[in-house]
Amino acid sequence: GDSVTQMEGPVTLSEEAFLTINCTYTATGYPSLFWYVQYPGEGLQLLLKATKADDKGSNKGFEATYRKETTSFHLEKGSVQVSDSAVYFCATGTASKLTFGTGTRLQVTL
Amino acid sequence: ETGVTQTPRHLVMGMTNKKSLKCEQHLGHNAMYWYKQSAKKPLELMFVYNFKEQTENNSVPSRFSPECPNSSHLFLHLHTLQPEDSALYLCASSQEVGRTQFGELFFGEGSRLTVL
Repeated sequence: GDSVTQMEGPVTLSEEAFLTINCTYTATGYPSLFWYVQYPGEGLQLLLKATKADDKGSNKGFEATYRKETTSFHLEKGSVQVSDSAVYFCATGTASKLTFGTGTRLQVTL
Repeated sequence: ETGVTQTPRHLVMGMTNKKSLKCEQHLGHNAMYWYKQSAKKPLELMFVYNFKEQTENNSVPSRFSPECPNSSHLFLHLHTLQPEDSALYLCASSQEVGRTQFGELFFGEGSRLTVL
């Protein structure tokens, strides 16, 4: 079945640092790829997505590019803020079934 | 109310109790989901309902019993749970537009379950 591997956290960065959270996947067919974010005490919400190879998803300064050749979808942001502190989940899916990674906690300090 | 709401937010129960989790979506979606979130584990899809019909049961123990009376409401009935069932249970909804296309998942804030 499908699977998603994310880098283990927590990731601790100073404000304005560059962020990369790695994500690789295994899936059959032509899955879409997603990043979801979970802020403290809240449910998950979609951050960005890409539906085919070489697509770049972007939102709120975050970006991720669908790399079919390396089966990766790494999340990046050029300058993180304290308000970005949250847990980030990579996911892959087709139809109505999403497979999530374990999540990576990001802690941004002043 | 907007989005996906879950009640209760926190639940503590003994192993012999029977309780239910409730989810309601106000988005007009036709698919609803239960996910289990445990520490240091991937989110686990438990059940999927599409147009009120259960389309996915991800090998979930029978002590968890879902119910979807209409496309806006989803319940998870709990009985004779084990301590390892303690987790955050997340409800989500989406709009299915075909067998191979579906819209964004919208999640509720979750119900934190503790089984003593």
